[in-house]
Amino acid sequence: EVQLQQSGAELVKPGASVKLSCKTSGYTFSNYYMSWLKQMPGQNIEWIGNIYGGNGGTGYNQKFKGKATLTVDKSSSTAYMDLSSLTSEDSAVYFCARVYTTDYYYFDYWGQGVMVTVSS
Amino acid sequence: DIVLTQSPALAVSLGQRATISCKTNQNVDYYGNSYMHWYQQKPGQQPKLLIYLASNLASGIPARFSGRGSGTDFTLTIDPVEADDTATYYCQQSRNLNTFGAGTKLELK
Repeated sequence: EVQLQQSGAELVKPGASVKLSCKTSGYTFSNYYMSWLKQMPGQNIEWIGNIYGGNGGTGYNQKFKGKATLTVDKSSSTAYMDLSSLTSEDSAVYFCARVYTTDYYYFDYWGQGVMVTVSS
Repeated sequence: DIVLTQSPALAVSLGQRATISCKTNQNVDYYGNSYMHWYQQKPGQQPKLLIYLASNLASGIPARFSGRGSGTDFTLTIDPVEADDTATYYCQQSRNLNTFGAGTKLELK
């Protein structure tokens, strides 16, 4: 069974950074891309970027370049996202989601999401 | 960016048909495929893939759900609607990067 398990909720101060994790199981991590997505309360879903589990190659939504940095640890089948220089606009739920295939680019499995709250 | 437009809400009765629309401002077809996908999201949960490439049912999704459309106009149909279907439904295009519609909240009358 494919599972994506995300780390717990974060409360961080403005200007700080946070690192979110997405631990996977049930499939060959290095054969798939992982995407990260942002959902602000009651709002739309935004695609942040993706990373290939095989070699760590990344692609970003221009809007999130400089804000998000994606990495992977193949040994633990875990994907990570660093968010830097946090502001209130970064308060949101962040999801990791497996990309079924980059030919068609849809998300077949999702993590449960992690709430990041930026507040002093 | 490709913009996806969905109606904010839809109310239907149990056992009736729900039709949720998604319109794009650019064609999302490419080499015979429509790069349009649908997800269901319940409060406090992650989105769940329902339909991929406009009309293909994702694994484990009941046949009450179906999708159709091409070009710039797409629909997700639920027939018949069950109580468990109350949720927000999002369309996503992957023809040019990835963008989502704002979601349609399905409620029961």
